[in-house]
Amino acid sequence: DTAVSQTPKYLVTQMGNDKSIKCEQNLGHDTMYWYKQDSKKFLKIMFSYNNKELIINETVPNRFSPKSPDKAHLNLHINSLELGDSAVYFCASSLGQVNSPLHFGNGTRLTVT
Amino acid sequence: DQQVKQNSPSLSVQEGRISILNCDYTNSMFDYFLWYKKYPAEGPTFLISISSIKDKNEDGRFTVFLNKSAKHLSLHIVPSQPGDSAVYFCAAMTGTASKLTFGTGTRLQVTL
Repeated sequence: DTAVSQTPKYLVTQMGNDKSIKCEQNLGHDTMYWYKQDSKKFLKIMFSYNNKELIINETVPNRFSPKSPDKAHLNLHINSLELGDSAVYFCASSLGQVNSPLHFGNGTRLTVT
Repeated sequence: DQQVKQNSPSLSVQEGRISILNCDYTNSMFDYFLWYKKYPAEGPTFLISISSIKDKNEDGRFTVFLNKSAKHLSLHIVPSQPGDSAVYFCAAMTGTASKLTFGTGTRLQVTL
């Protein structure tokens, strides 16, 4: 009955590889997000999709590409991984209405070696 | 350019006492404020929120106070319990943007 689930929980890979993180929500929310928590524990938004359409795209390298096959899923593809991509990536969802809290998944810890 | 700041990285409080976590913001366009609680290896969990038209919101042991003129909000937990030990994030949004801007968190430890 997990509301926002993301896989894998841990991902260890080498520089230059391409990897994907999957996210699914069963809350019936219209809006989904990807956040990145860096080594300083700062949570920063990367992308937001509303009903499969990109609505927020912060300054993120174009090696990162979100894909939303339907409004319950938002996957994150990362090409040509770099050491600096090591972080915890959180998926979240919300109703997308004014003053709607975000509900987060448990995160994917990505380590690039 | 950090628009939401939590200047205390950690706080230790005795069980049964009051915990007060503080947060300051700089963007006057923020009109909705939230507190999230985070345990290790888990995602942030929504705790309580407040709209900018209010100055207080209470939910059980948790109360959030907003001082718009000072651009300051605080979370009060009373009485504090050991299970409250976690990292607490303050967050803010503008109603139209629907994206959260987070502070850097305060680690609360409730001791016996």
